[in-house]
Amino acid sequence: DVKVTQSSRYLVKRTGEKVFLECVQDMDHENMFWYRQDPGLGLRLIYFSYDVKMKEKGDIPEGYSVSREKKERFSLILESASTNQTSMYLCASTRDRVTEAFFGQGTRLTVV
Amino acid sequence: RKEVEQDPGPFNVPEGATVAFNCTYSNSASQSFFWYRQDCRKEPKLLMSVYSSGNEDGRFTAQLNRASQYISLLIRDSKLSDSATYLCVVKGNNNDMRFGAGTRLTVKP
Repeated sequence: DVKVTQSSRYLVKRTGEKVFLECVQDMDHENMFWYRQDPGLGLRLIYFSYDVKMKEKGDIPEGYSVSREKKERFSLILESASTNQTSMYLCASTRDRVTEAFFGQGTRLTVV
Repeated sequence: RKEVEQDPGPFNVPEGATVAFNCTYSNSASQSFFWYRQDCRKEPKLLMSVYSSGNEDGRFTAQLNRASQYISLLIRDSKLSDSATYLCVVKGNNNDMRFGAGTRLTVKP
């Protein structure tokens, strides 16, 4: 069975902390994505990666960075967390440009 | 301008109704198209892919119009269990994947 796993379901962090969100997929997929989802705004693309060590900015990369050292793992990093980064974060992976995406269960991050 | 624009909704319909959602995309080089369904507090899951010739899966019909750059989803004979948020998804030719903001559907008895 296909699986995308995010390391935490809920996180509470303080303003200014460095935050790591981890995502692991077991399907040998090439492409991985990070989104944030906020009410009324849908899923907004933060960063994506189409290969190990490759990364591309999405629509809202400011305040975030990513790391993909291994094919199965894609990490989202909040360098200095701020309250406006409180959101639901969703990781996804796809095999290629034409097949469906599979999602992790999401991480609800609260920055206080 | 957002790359993927979707009917904002919400749609509130009675059981048995037919409801249609539309979505437009701005990148003419987009490669593939999907409709996803998202239940409250859950991750999105694939409802159906959208093919150029149009495709049907039971009560659900998806259409793609490349010339006008829009995709649509038609749900016939709505069920209570169809209540969810429907998201259109567009994959580009550089491996990106973008979502519409989603349309919430509530089917009432």
